[in-house]
Amino acid sequence: DVKVTQSSRYLVKRTGEKVFLECVQDMDHENMFWYRQDPGLGLRLIYFSYDVKMKEKGDIPEGYSVSREKKERFSLILESASTNQTSMYLCASSSTHGTSGDTQYFGPGTRLTVL
Amino acid sequence: RKEVEQDPGPFNVPEGATVAFNCTYSNSASQSFFWYRQDCRKEPKLLMSVYSSGNEDGRFTAQLNRASQYISLLIRDSKLSDSATYLCVVNHGSNQGGKLIFGQGTELSVKP
Repeated sequence: DVKVTQSSRYLVKRTGEKVFLECVQDMDHENMFWYRQDPGLGLRLIYFSYDVKMKEKGDIPEGYSVSREKKERFSLILESASTNQTSMYLCASSSTHGTSGDTQYFGPGTRLTVL
Repeated sequence: RKEVEQDPGPFNVPEGATVAFNCTYSNSASQSFFWYRQDCRKEPKLLMSVYSSGNEDGRFTAQLNRASQYISLLIRDSKLSDSATYLCVVNHGSNQGGKLIFGQGTELSVKP
């Protein structure tokens, strides 16, 4: 079974704090993704990575950065948290090879509240 | 126009009903198609892939019409446990590291 884990289920931070969200997958997947999900807006892609040290901007990268130093780990960084970054953050991974095609497997999500 | 559009819902149906969800996509280069299911406050999980010839998994049937760029999901004999949001998903259609485009989802509520 594919397992994607995220460092926290719930997180409360203050405006201006630097926030790190960690994601780890155990299936040797090449591709990893960070989304945020808000009511009425669906899943929106923030950043993705298709290899170690590679990163690509998604649809809403502003205010975020990412790091992928190891294949299994993809970190999302909020340089200076703001209240409009209060959201559910979901990490996903997928394989470029094999029979699963583009199927993405999601972690349980981190519900971040910025006060 | 959104890249993936779904019926907004919510769909409220009695147990045992048959319900159909529709979805259209705009990128004719898309090659992979999926339905995901998301329970309240949980992560999305793959329900089934959608193949060109159509495919069935128990009570669930998915169909694809490439010419019309249309995908459907049919659920027969609805169960209470089918209550969830159903997401229509297509790949981006180019070599972009497996990027997927998610519809906003259709909420299904199955009542006793």
